[in-house]
Amino acid sequence: AQKITQTQPGMFVQEKEAVTLDCTYDTSDPSYGLFWYKQPSSGEMIFLIYQGSYDQQNATEGRYSLNFQKARKSANLVISASQLGDSAMYFCAMREVYNFNKFYFGSGTKLNVKP
Amino acid sequence: GAVVSQHPSRVICKSGTSVKIECRSLDFQATTMFWYRQFPKQSLMLMATSNEGSKATYEQGVEKDKFLINHASLTLSTLTVTSAHPEDSSFYICSARPTGGTGFTGALETQYFGPGTRLLVL
Repeated sequence: AQKITQTQPGMFVQEKEAVTLDCTYDTSDPSYGLFWYKQPSSGEMIFLIYQGSYDQQNATEGRYSLNFQKARKSANLVISASQLGDSAMYFCAMREVYNFNKFYFGSGTKLNVKP
Repeated sequence: GAVVSQHPSRVICKSGTSVKIECRSLDFQATTMFWYRQFPKQSLMLMATSNEGSKATYEQGVEKDKFLINHASLTLSTLTVTSAHPEDSSFYICSARPTGGTGFTGALETQYFGPGTRLLVL
């Protein structure tokens, strides 16, 4: 089974609007971490935000927030006030406590911000 | 902080030659580094986990003799693509996890990526 599923291959959003990128995960480990990365066309992977499975509150980092719904096993990324520079690929990833060093990545979502 | 460099950023080589890619953590120590491969418009595929002072752990289906990994110090890991062929052309990305991160205590648990190396084998 897929560990990380991103069902939106591509998304469009109008500049200054908010957008939600979906991510669902599959794990039976009691402890795990969820991550979002941004990959612009240059190829570098930029860490955006992190959510621990035991964190009570949703993570936020500036314009990024993570909508963590543990029971539904979802960890959606919300970008508020989209900017043209947000156009990029976005990857959701997970680490599990029993496989500590391995990151599982989703297939990615290509976000295009329209002016 | 948490900068990872990769060298070279782009390399073109002839079929049959070997290519070495370096991955350095510039401002932190990394006991563990990772090597990924990414094909166009696809996700990252973990090739191997590089451990300082010991042998790398390769993912299933990755040829150990083809992709040689050496993690000689806490800040340097190298990937050598031996006898490269056109099908080895890809984007290779390394990442490093800061030493000392334990459990899931926060963003320290992330890995920091290098800028990637585009390999083209003619």
